[in-house]
Amino acid sequence: DTEVTQTPKHLVMGMTNKKSLKCEQHMGHRAMYWYKQKAKKPPELMFVYSYEKLSINESVPSRFSPECPNSSLLNLHLHALQPEDSALYLCASSQDRASVGDREQFFGPGTRLTVL
Amino acid sequence: GQNIDQPTEMTATEGAIVQINCTYQTSGFNGLFWYQQHAGEAPTFLSYNVLDGLEEKGRFSSFLSRSKGYSYLLLKELQMKDSASYLCAVRAAPSGTDKLIFGTGTRLQVFP
Repeated sequence: DTEVTQTPKHLVMGMTNKKSLKCEQHMGHRAMYWYKQKAKKPPELMFVYSYEKLSINESVPSRFSPECPNSSLLNLHLHALQPEDSALYLCASSQDRASVGDREQFFGPGTRLTVL
Repeated sequence: GQNIDQPTEMTATEGAIVQINCTYQTSGFNGLFWYQQHAGEAPTFLSYNVLDGLEEKGRFSSFLSRSKGYSYLLLKELQMKDSASYLCAVRAAPSGTDKLIFGTGTRLQVFP
């Protein structure tokens, strides 16, 4: 299984809603990532989890709250978002740093988020 | 600071060869990746370079010169399905993590 899955595929939410994005991988990867991608722009790193601990927060506003319940799952909790937060949210995973080789990041298909 | 530059757009003809350049200035370097991304889809891994030189993978090759902060992706025998964005990404290596910094991306359009 070399796949990262994300749910939901599309999400429309109001500015007062609370919702969660989910990401799952079963490749035994110990690093997981959240990226935000606006149209015609490259992905921008938001958070990195390494061995289920948050290792990087790229100064993301607190209305985005990541959670890593176990080594296979990564969530992104959303609350009081703004219309400018509308974007494609990509999850990725990679092997841990102790591994040799490419350690490329495998991306999920993304969640297309629209905030009204 | 971190800076990765690529041309914004390129066009080419089916069957031709195209070279997409990437220059980078980053505070750390632990490898350079090329990803392909079709519109509305996730990036998919194409190639990885950590040492100077050329890596070949079928129709795709990638070159790296660390001293020049330069890489290119070479696509041969272009096909219509190669129309996509191509993202250059540098793995900066702060302690303990694999942080990828993406370039601006190059949108390639292949014409018949």
